[in-house]
Formats: sequence, structure tokens, C-alpha cells
Amino acid sequence: GNSVTQMEGPVTLSEEAFLTINCTYTATGYPSLFWYVQYPGEGLQLLLKATKADDKGSNKGFEATYRKETTSFHLEKGSVQVSDSAVYFCALSGSSNTGKLIFGQGTTLQVKP
Amino acid sequence: GAGVSQSPSNKVTEKGKDVELRCDPISGHTALYWYRQSLGQGLEFLIYFQGNSAPDKSGLPSDRFSAERTGGSVSTLTIQRTQQEDSAVYLCASRPRAGASYEQYFGPGTRLTVT
Repeated sequence: GNSVTQMEGPVTLSEEAFLTINCTYTATGYPSLFWYVQYPGEGLQLLLKATKADDKGSNKGFEATYRKETTSFHLEKGSVQVSDSAVYFCALSGSSNTGKLIFGQGTTLQVKP
Repeated sequence: GAGVSQSPSNKVTEKGKDVELRCDPISGHTALYWYRQSLGQGLEFLIYFQGNSAPDKSGLPSDRFSAERTGGSVSTLTIQRTQQEDSAVYLCASRPRAGASYEQYFGPGTRLTVT
């Protein structure tokens, strides 16, 4: 079945450091890929998405590229801020019409000033 | 506009009791999902509604779990004879229609603690 694997956290970085959170997936067909973020005390919200191979999703300085050849969707940001401290979830939605999300385990990011 | 709302925000119950969790999706959203977020299992899909029907119930962990949706709007997730392993945050999400690429909008969740 479909699955998502994320790098384990927590990830601790200093402000302005470069961020990469790895995400790989297993899926049949052509899934859509997402990054969701959960800030402390808040609900899950969509950060970015890509719906086909080679698409790049971007938002708030974060980027991720849908790589079908490596089945990956790694999240990157060039310069993190303390306000980026949160839990990040990689997810996929398969090619069926249900649209249900399969999530990775989540990666906690802590950014220190 | 109003987002997805869930009630109660917190629920503490004794093992063996039944609980009902409520979700009010964004008005006009036809697709509704329930997920569970727990320490051991991460974020898991439970059930999907399109309108009032549930074409995908594959994530419900046991027959103690059931859900319904009425009027194409409010949904209730019921857990009978709760067990300690049911302790988790239960999340509801809605989207305007089915389809893999559409964003899901999540509610704040109900934190369930079974003592």
C-alpha cells in the first residue's frame, strides 16, 4: 500500500541555517504530495503541495520538488527563523478519488536564536 | 469565513464508556475526513465521507468505532466501550470536493483521554 517515510527528528538548527527535511514515498499511480505544518498549539495547515512529477511547491520561503525518479519530496528552506519551529508532516494523496491523506511520522523542528 | 470546528476540545472519559466527537465542516464542503493523531501511530486516516455516504471506512481500527454524517454537513465519530489505547487527538478535515489534489482544511482537534 501507499506509505510515506520522513527523517526522524527532532531537528535543531540555529536561526538563518539551511533546512532540509527528507521525505520519500511509496505509491501506485501518480499521487499528489503535500507538506503540512503544525505550529505549537495550533491545527494542521497546508504549507505547500505538488500534484505531478517535477512540480515545485513553494510557500513562506519553503520549497519542495516532486521527484518521481527518486520517489522523494524533500522540504527545504534557505534561512530558517525561530517562528518556523513546528512539526512538519509529509503526506501523499493517492490517485483514487477519495483524496485521503497518508502521512509520514512528522519531524519536529526547533530553531534557536 | 469560519473554518472547521470540533467539539469538545478536550474529553476525559473512563475506560468502558462511550464517547461522541463532533465535527462541523466548512460550509459547502462535500468531502469530510476523520484522522487520529497519537504518539505511537502518528497521523492515521480513519474514515472519508462524500456527502452523507462513507465510501472509505478502511481506517477504522475496530467495530467499536463508527461515524455518521447528516445533511451533508455535521459529522459525529462515536467510540463505544473506550479503551486506553483510544487516547489520542481526533482531527476532522473537509475539502470542497473529492480529488487528490485539493487541499484539506483541518479542525483544531478533540483531545481524548481514556483513564
